[in-house]
Amino acid sequence: AQTVTQSQPEMSVQEAETVTLSCTYDTSESDYYLFWYKQPPSRQMILVIRQEAYKQQNATENRFSVNFQKAAKSFSLKISDSQLGDAAMYFCAYRSGKETSGSRLTFGEGTQLTVNP
Amino acid sequence: DAGVIQSPRHEVTEMGQEVTLRCKPISGHNSLFWYRQTMMRGLELLIYFNNNVPIDDSGMPEDRFSAKMPNASFSTLKIQPSEPRDSAVYFCASSFRGIWPQHFGDGTRLSIL
Repeated sequence: AQTVTQSQPEMSVQEAETVTLSCTYDTSESDYYLFWYKQPPSRQMILVIRQEAYKQQNATENRFSVNFQKAAKSFSLKISDSQLGDAAMYFCAYRSGKETSGSRLTFGEGTQLTVNP
Repeated sequence: DAGVIQSPRHEVTEMGQEVTLRCKPISGHNSLFWYRQTMMRGLELLIYFNNNVPIDDSGMPEDRFSAKMPNASFSTLKIQPSEPRDSAVYFCASSFRGIWPQHFGDGTRLSIL
């Protein structure tokens, strides 16, 4: 079974600075997807970024980028130029690439990010 | 677009009562997901529909839970009878031809007394 581990329950960053959130996963598969979701206090989950395992290039979405290390099974999220609106709980998630896996995502425990003005 | 719309936002009811949660996905999205979030278990997929057909319902806890999607713009999650351990935040999410949730609703906070 796949597992996703976020070892940092809480992180903080100063506004305009850069912060990196860690995520590691365990799988025996070679084909899979990795995600970062954000859940602000409003409770609504928001998909931040997605990475396909077969792609060597790290995904980037504006100020958000990932460092995908497939051999190390590591998938960290870097937030550049942090803004107050980035404050949220961030979840790392894994999905198998197998069709038979249905649509099941395995989520990490989450990292609560605080942005200090 | 209004996004994924869930109702009610909060629900408090007594044990044994029937609870119905509602979801309107984003127009044009053909995949719909129901998730449950608790402190103890985190986020769990309950059921996934594609083109209104349930594809994966292995996460539905037990027979007390049922979900329907009568058309592309509406889905319900029903719990009957409800129990205190069903207390959680229930999320609906949708995506366009996606096998992962792209857009979530605001969730329904359910409290069973």
